[in-house]
Amino acid sequence: QSALTQPASVSGSPGQSITITCTGTSRDVGGYDSVSWYQHLPGEAPKVMIYEVTNRPSGVSNRFSGSKSGNTASLTISGLQAEDEADYYCASYTRFSTVLFGGGTKVTVL
Amino acid sequence: QVQLVQSGPEVKKPGSSVKVSCKTSGGTLNTYAISWVRQAPGQGLEWMGGIIPLFGATYYAQKFQGAVTITTDESTNTASMELSSLRPDDTAVYYCTRSYSGLKTHFDLWGSGTVVTVSS
Repeated sequence: QSALTQPASVSGSPGQSITITCTGTSRDVGGYDSVSWYQHLPGEAPKVMIYEVTNRPSGVSNRFSGSKSGNTASLTISGLQAEDEADYYCASYTRFSTVLFGGGTKVTVL
Repeated sequence: QVQLVQSGPEVKKPGSSVKVSCKTSGGTLNTYAISWVRQAPGQGLEWMGGIIPLFGATYYAQKFQGAVTITTDESTNTASMELSSLRPDDTAVYYCTRSYSGLKTHFDLWGSGTVVTVSS
């Protein structure tokens, strides 16, 4: 199985909104509401930002939101801040009872 | 506060095996699935496999079938991942992570990672 498809990089100015897409197939993203998004900073463990497509864990800023249409899930960061600069990964459960990550997206705050 | 405490860094020769452990501190294993995720230098996160201790069920990514073995020891609340026939491109940070009630849910707690270096 190939990794889910994410753009390699996305950038935006402080205060702007950016959207990261995560494209899979009907065997993963499109087939389940089991898409989650992780923020990964260098030297740290990944942190879940969105789970089950749209849900935000306690403590995560409401500037982060998720959605899905067909085989593509999206993570939107509103009111971009310098602290949002990180790598972001989507993940999905698959019909093979496995988990697939996206290739990762580097977010740069200009 | 529950933590996942991983074993220390390893340096291995090509062709050998490595076993990385992950102890649940302050909690028990059997209500969660434990997965192993790795990140090679300059690469993304890669799910290797997972175990649901309650059912004794293991699941592996196709790439790692036959090379990875994931086990748990409920008496010590410890999960382990053994990777055999190591190659230099297995050099990576290996994380354990948990998900509540199987693999369909998200990973809400992560270990700090174990660096495995494969070099002759």
